[in-house]
Amino acid sequence: EAGVAQSPRYKIIEKRQSVAFWCNPISGHATLYWYQQILGQGPKLLIQFQNNGVVDDSQLPKDRFSAERLKGVDSTLKIQPAKLEDSAVYLCASSGTSYNEQFFGPGTRLTVL
Amino acid sequence: TQLLEQSPQFLSIQEGENLTVYCNSSSVFSSLQWYRQEPGEGPVLLVTVVTGGEVKKLKRLTFQFGDARKDSSLHITAAQPGDTGLYLCAGALSNTGKLIFGQGTTLQVKP
Repeated sequence: EAGVAQSPRYKIIEKRQSVAFWCNPISGHATLYWYQQILGQGPKLLIQFQNNGVVDDSQLPKDRFSAERLKGVDSTLKIQPAKLEDSAVYLCASSGTSYNEQFFGPGTRLTVL
Repeated sequence: TQLLEQSPQFLSIQEGENLTVYCNSSSVFSSLQWYRQEPGEGPVLLVTVVTGGEVKKLKRLTFQFGDARKDSSLHITAAQPGDTGLYLCAGALSNTGKLIFGQGTTLQVKP
């Protein structure tokens, strides 16, 4: 079974530029999550989708971050414009099992200069 | 606000030593997961505990869920350099599909 795919793996941009990340979840998983992770810390949830609907986006900085999951499968997360403090790893996870088990992709490491 | 306090934050030990990582909360979780994350990779699920008082073993790793389902521990026996990584506990809130993550424990096992 293929895992969660993410691209790109690394991205370096300058502040005020825009960037987009892509995620393809495990086949059949209805729930998809985007997390932000600062080095050495636990992931922070940005947004949770159930199929193509948003379940929780309470911690998404909506003035600059947006996310969509139009067909209920893959998803994109966009930052526009980026700030220095957005430098982090952006993780995508999906879940389709009981007990809220989440399976993570490898992440995208974003550096904002 | 639900919080999951994880301790210690950092642990540096010699190969062969034992260690325990703790996760504590005032919230009751429907289940709790432990993940391990290596540099440049996403977290990998190690185990899920569901029942209060449950103990699960994975080779040299022993996971315990507290009786009240508010806390958990991970014990590693005879740590090896390959155990090095960031260990994360995550509590599941029932009916939400949401996980509350601890701050993580960075473990370094020196040969």
